[in-house]
Formats: sequence, C-alpha cells, structure tokens
Amino acid sequence: DGGITQSPKYLFRKEGQNVTLSCEQNLNHDAMYWYRQDPGQGLRLIYYSQIVNDFQKGDIAEGYSVSREKKESFPLTVTSAQKNPTAFYLCASSSKPGPYGYTFGSGTRLTVV
Amino acid sequence: AQKITQTQPGMFVQEKEAVTLDCTYDTSDPSYGLFWYKQPSSGEMIFLIYQGSYDQQNATEGRYSLNFQKARKSANLVISASQLGDSAMYFCAPVITTSYDKVIFGPGTSLSVIP
Repeated sequence: DGGITQSPKYLFRKEGQNVTLSCEQNLNHDAMYWYRQDPGQGLRLIYYSQIVNDFQKGDIAEGYSVSREKKESFPLTVTSAQKNPTAFYLCASSSKPGPYGYTFGSGTRLTVV
Repeated sequence: AQKITQTQPGMFVQEKEAVTLDCTYDTSDPSYGLFWYKQPSSGEMIFLIYQGSYDQQNATEGRYSLNFQKARKSANLVISASQLGDSAMYFCAPVITTSYDKVIFGPGTSLSVIP
C-alpha cells in the first residue's frame, strides 16, 4: 500500500545533539512538507520541497535543516541550534503543490532529555 | 499576515446529533480554498473535505459538509449523526496563494462525542 513512513515513532535526544527524523513516501508525490505540532496547538510549517534538490523555508525553519536528494525521501535534522525541540513532528506529501490533499505520516514524537 | 481562528477550543456533542465546528481566516493573500483535517489521539492527520473558493455549491463528503461563506472568509464544518469515533481534534486549513500555494493550519477544535 502507498503511504508515508516516518521513523522513529519516539525519539529522545540529549541537549546539544543533532538528530535526524526520517520521512519516506512511495506515492510518487512531488511535494513534501515538515510540520511541527506543540501540545494543544495547530501545525506550523518548518520546511517544504516542491521538487528534488529544491526546498524552501517555512514559518519556523530556524534550528532545522532538510535535504531532498531523492523524490521519495525528505529527512529533517533538528540541530542543537533549535532551543526548544520537544514536539510532535509530522511529515506530509502531496501530488503537487497547491490545493491538493495532503497525505500525512504517523508522526515522530521528539523529546529532549 | 495570515490568521486562522477556530473559536471553539473544546466542544461536546451527543452521539447521533449534528455538530458545527467554526473556522474563519484572515489572510492578506487570496485563498484557493480550504481543507478540514481530523487528528485522532493517535496523532495522524486525516483529510476530511476540501472546498475550492470558486466552487458554486458547498462541498459534502458523507457525513461531512462545509458551510463556506467566501465573502466572510468563513468555512464551518458540519458533522451529521456524530459517532464515538468522531472524537478528535479538527483543524481547518486554508490554502494561501503566495509565491507558493501554502496550506496554513488553524489552532484546532477538540470534539468529544458523548454516548
């Protein structure tokens, strides 16, 4: 079945460490996105990519980095520069940018210890 | 600036009754339309319904329907015949046309269905 796979489901990080969240899709979608969700709040856009080897900053990109070397993959690195990284991270894809429904992964819950 | 308002942080509805979830958006850029998504406690986001700004009739998908008032920038979700499985967070998400057609999510409304 086609879909988006995020791994791991739960991730613990020590302060000062970088950590990479995985997002893989087999839907042949062009566009991919990373969102952050804090408790009781909506989703905020971190980065998005419309095509391979291209990506754009979202509303809260500081302290994060991404790459899009393959159409299927859009990993997110949470760097030590991100001061408050504890949150729920959701990856999504759409067939192309615009008013097309997003398919979401099941999310990664990151906790800084 | 883009602002999405969902005025009801938490709502309760009796099973089998209908419920309306409010959404208004104040965006400086034009909007293509608007999505509604559901997020159960497991965390995944589930697409419910989409309405384009220029669609003549309000969208319906099974028990979900939209009351879209473009001039007021309002798009309320109506859930008919509520079921226990409808208990979740609900997010409205307008599609903003900037240099990139971006989906912006509102703060969400928590719906609890009471048996």
